[in-house]
Amino acid sequence: GENVEQHPSTLSVQEGDSAVIKCTYSDSASNYFPWYKQELGKGPQLIIDIRSNVGEKKDQRIAVTLNKTAKHFSLHITETQPEDSAVYFCAASNGNTPLVFGKGTRLSVIA
Amino acid sequence: SQTIHQWPATLVQPVGSPLSLECTVEGTSNPNLYWYRQAAGRGLQLLFYSVGIGQISSEVPQNLSASRPQDRQFILSSKKLLLSDSGFYLCAWSRVLSNTEAFFGQGTRLTVV
Repeated sequence: GENVEQHPSTLSVQEGDSAVIKCTYSDSASNYFPWYKQELGKGPQLIIDIRSNVGEKKDQRIAVTLNKTAKHFSLHITETQPEDSAVYFCAASNGNTPLVFGKGTRLSVIA
Repeated sequence: SQTIHQWPATLVQPVGSPLSLECTVEGTSNPNLYWYRQAAGRGLQLLFYSVGIGQISSEVPQNLSASRPQDRQFILSSKKLLLSDSGFYLCAWSRVLSNTEAFFGQGTRLTVV
């Protein structure tokens, strides 16, 4: 089955700097890649997703890139703010089974 | 609009006691339902999912079971809790099984003592 690896497990950045989180997946049939943000004590919420027919997607300060050949995708957050501090999860889906999640990245934005 | 309710928010239970966590979804019909467990350093582990009433798929063999007695109700149970059952349990739903957004509840923090 699908296996999703996520790095780094923790990330600290200065406010205003950029943050990058990377994930790799094993199933070449996977075609949907969402990113979730989880704030303390809450359930994860979708912040952006990308499908395999595109290589990049942007939404204001957030962008996701996908390299199907290398089977990896990344989350980019620019101009980070303290409210970006949270745990971020990547996930992958092959169209036949539920989402498989990475182990998460704890992002701390230092003011 | 659709909403997902999960309760209780926190729970402290002794080892060997039973468990019942409930999740309900409003505003949609025939949702796909999921139970995840989140433990430190292990991310979101899928425990069970259901594509319809009475249909349960188990992803990880363990001390837990799930049931779906009604279309929008999903229950996570245990007959005898273990210390290792402690964690943050999340219920989620989606419109189809894959390739689409999953919507999560607020979670239940279970501590087994």
